[in-house]
Amino acid sequence: GNSVTQMEGPVTLSEEAFLTINCTYTATGYPSLFWYVQYPGEGLQLLLKATKADDKGSNKGFEATYRKETTSFHLEKGSVQVSDSAVYFCALSGGGAQKLVFGQGTRLTINP
Amino acid sequence: DADVTQTPRNRITKTGKRIMLECSQTKGHDRMYWYRQDPGLGLRLIYYSFDVKDINKGEISDGYSVSRQAQAKFSLSLESAIPNQTALYFCATSDPRTRNNEQFFGPGTRLTVL
Repeated sequence: GNSVTQMEGPVTLSEEAFLTINCTYTATGYPSLFWYVQYPGEGLQLLLKATKADDKGSNKGFEATYRKETTSFHLEKGSVQVSDSAVYFCALSGGGAQKLVFGQGTRLTINP
Repeated sequence: DADVTQTPRNRITKTGKRIMLECSQTKGHDRMYWYRQDPGLGLRLIYYSFDVKDINKGEISDGYSVSRQAQAKFSLSLESAIPNQTALYFCATSDPRTRNNEQFFGPGTRLTVL
């Protein structure tokens, strides 16, 4: 079945550091890929998405590229801010039922 | 703004009690979902519904039931709560017209079973 694996957290960085959160997936066919973000005390919000190979999703300075050859969708940001502190979830949607399958989440803390 | 709301936001209950969590949406989406979130496990799908007459089990449906009362309402019930059902519960919706299944989440209900 479909599955998503994210890098283990928690991740702690200083403000303005470069961020990478790794995400790899296993799926049949051509899934859509997502990054969701969960700020403290809130629900999940879509951060970015990509629907086909080599697509790049981007939002709020974050980027991720759909790499079919490596089955990856790594999240990157060139200069993080304290306000980026949150839990980040990689997810995929594929198959006839189009259900979302989530990774386990990565908690990110940015220190000033 | 079109939105997904959940009630209650927090609930503490005792083992053996029946609990209902409610979800309402004003997005006009046909598809609705219930997930639970546990630390280190991400979100796991409990039940989903593609329209009022369609209910499907997710990966962890044991101990839960659902009711789709209308397009806008999808309730999750714990018939006899147990402590390992302590978790954060999320409702979500999606529009089947978008092929990528982007989902929109409510704020969550934190349930504690003593």
